[in-house]
Amino acid sequence: KNQVEQSPQSLIILEGKNCTLQCNYTVSPFSNLRWYKQDTGRGPVSLTIMTFSENTKSNGRYTATLDADTKQSSLHITASQLSDSASYICVVSRVDKLIFGTGTRLQVFP
Amino acid sequence: EAQVTQNPRYLITVTGKKLTVTCSQNMNHEYMSWYRQDPGLGLRQIYYSMNVEVTDKGDVPEGYKVSRKEKRNFPLILESPSPNQTSLYFCASSSAYNEQFFGPGTRLTVL
Repeated sequence: KNQVEQSPQSLIILEGKNCTLQCNYTVSPFSNLRWYKQDTGRGPVSLTIMTFSENTKSNGRYTATLDADTKQSSLHITASQLSDSASYICVVSRVDKLIFGTGTRLQVFP
Repeated sequence: EAQVTQNPRYLITVTGKKLTVTCSQNMNHEYMSWYRQDPGLGLRQIYYSMNVEVTDKGDVPEGYKVSRKEKRNFPLILESPSPNQTSLYFCASSSAYNEQFFGPGTRLTVL
């Protein structure tokens, strides 16, 4: 069954701290893996897209990693800011469709 | 500015009253899709379109219709809305397998 599982479901950190979000998938055939940031009540915004051959990709303070052998990805946020408070969604693309995770809700407190 | 627009942004209606949510993109993307988002379930695809006059069902198409007469527009039609269609709806567009751009969302409440 094609699934994308994210952990933790929710996370609270203090401003300035780092954090890592996890994504495990069982999607096949694999095309690419995407991380999106979604602010409450707004549309998701793309952070990174990684293909099978890419191990890591950065977008500012966001760094995504991909291990295609173990079918795991992580999103690392460095020096968190209050504006990082959002849901982070892992999406795995097959050739024919996107499979969405249910997201990790991150709250950054001052 | 490259964007996906949706209208209306908020809508409260009653059971059985037909409604249309419009979606338009200005990036000349071939691929467009509709999603609904419910608490704890994540985004679920309703319908998608690979190009003009080409549409296909997603994971949860029951109770919805779409059309793709022009490349830029992809309206979502609810012929007879029911309370279980109360949700947050997103339209998205992309070219081939590239980054998807999402609209701002439409919050629909069916009483």
